[in-house]
Amino acid sequence: ILNVEQSPQSLHVQEGDSTNFTCSFPSSNFYALHWYRWETAKSPEALFVMTLNGDEKKKGRISATLNTKEGYSYLYIKGSQPEDSATYLCAFSDGGSQGNLIFGKGTKLSVKP
Amino acid sequence: EAGVAQSPRYKIIEKRQSVAFWCNPISGHATLYWYQQILGQGPKLLIQFQNNGVVDDSQLPKDRFSAERLKGVDSTLKIQPAKLEDSAVYLCASSLSRVGRKETQYFGPGTRLLVL
Repeated sequence: ILNVEQSPQSLHVQEGDSTNFTCSFPSSNFYALHWYRWETAKSPEALFVMTLNGDEKKKGRISATLNTKEGYSYLYIKGSQPEDSATYLCAFSDGGSQGNLIFGKGTKLSVKP
Repeated sequence: EAGVAQSPRYKIIEKRQSVAFWCNPISGHATLYWYQQILGQGPKLLIQFQNNGVVDDSQLPKDRFSAERLKGVDSTLKIQPAKLEDSAVYLCASSLSRVGRKETQYFGPGTRLLVL
């Protein structure tokens, strides 16, 4: 059974703090790693799709890195703002026949003004 | 570009009742997915369609859940009869092609179902 773990489960930071969370996934048969941001009452929003070991992606104040050999990805938020408050989900897909996404439980971020 | 539309946004029913959810994917997207997200868990794939054919329904509880995608566009997911443990957010997503492994899936806002 493929398992994707995210930590921490929740995080409370002050506005202006930088923060990071971890996504761990099986390192064998890796194909892609997705990051999504899900704000309450809205649609999950795609942030990044990462496929290569050593990949680094950036979108504004948010960036992500990928290590496929050891099976982890980090998501960084620089200078957190209240609007960054959301649940951040990662999803792993392997090279299987369907290549379906296996999601972690998410990290819930709360940024206090 | 219009996003993935879902309705209703919220639904409260009693156990043993039936319920149906509707999804309209992004225009031109061939692949459509239904996910179930139980509180405290990550989204779990229930069924994947490629155009109007089922690609994967291995995690769909077929004794009570059914789904269809008529004409390869809109889709409906039905639960009959509902159980307490079906309380969850039901998310619909679509992607441009079948190669979903590294292709972005675009999600709708979900339907929040509460079964009493």
